[in-house]
Amino acid sequence: ILNVEQSPQSLHVQEGDSTNFTCSFPSSNFYALHWYRWETAKSPEALFVMTLNGDEKKKGRISATLNTKEGYSYLYIKGSQPEDSATYLCAFQQAGTALIFGKGTTLSVSS
Amino acid sequence: DAGVTQSPTHLIKTRGQQVTLRCSPISGHKSVSWYQQVLGQGPQFIFQYYEKEERGRGNFPDRFSARQFPNYSSELNVNALLLGDSALYLCASSLRLAAYNEQFFGPGTRLTVL
Repeated sequence: ILNVEQSPQSLHVQEGDSTNFTCSFPSSNFYALHWYRWETAKSPEALFVMTLNGDEKKKGRISATLNTKEGYSYLYIKGSQPEDSATYLCAFQQAGTALIFGKGTTLSVSS
Repeated sequence: DAGVTQSPTHLIKTRGQQVTLRCSPISGHKSVSWYQQVLGQGPQFIFQYYEKEERGRGNFPDRFSARQFPNYSSELNVNALLLGDSALYLCASSLRLAAYNEQFFGPGTRLTVL
């Protein structure tokens, strides 16, 4: 059974803090790694789709890195804002298979 | 442009009943996937449809079935409901079947089974 682990499960930071989360996935038969942001009462929103080892993606204050050989991806948020409060999900994909999601990291940012 | 829409928003059923959930993908998207999210867990894959054909199925019992219509909308049916079927059911659409295609999610249908 393929397993995707995310850590920490939750964290609480102050406005302006920078933070990062980890997504661990099987290192074999890698095809793609997806990051989503899911705000309460809204639809999950795609942040990044990463396909190559060493990939680095950036969208505003949020960035992500990918290491397919060791099976992990980091998501970084620089200068957290209250509107960054959400659950961040990663999903791993092997060729020809569906997305396998982790349980998510719930971020709470206080002003 | 409208995003992925799902109906109904909320639903309450009793054990043994049957339920149908509906999803309309983003215009032009031909692939629709269904996921079940139980509290405290990540979304779990149920089905994927592309061009009206089932292209993938997760580890769910035969009580779960789905179909995709010519306009690419989709229905998820669950028969003989169990308490454990209580969950948020998410629909996602994408342009193509390719794995790395970005999937766009709807807001979900919250199903409660009493």
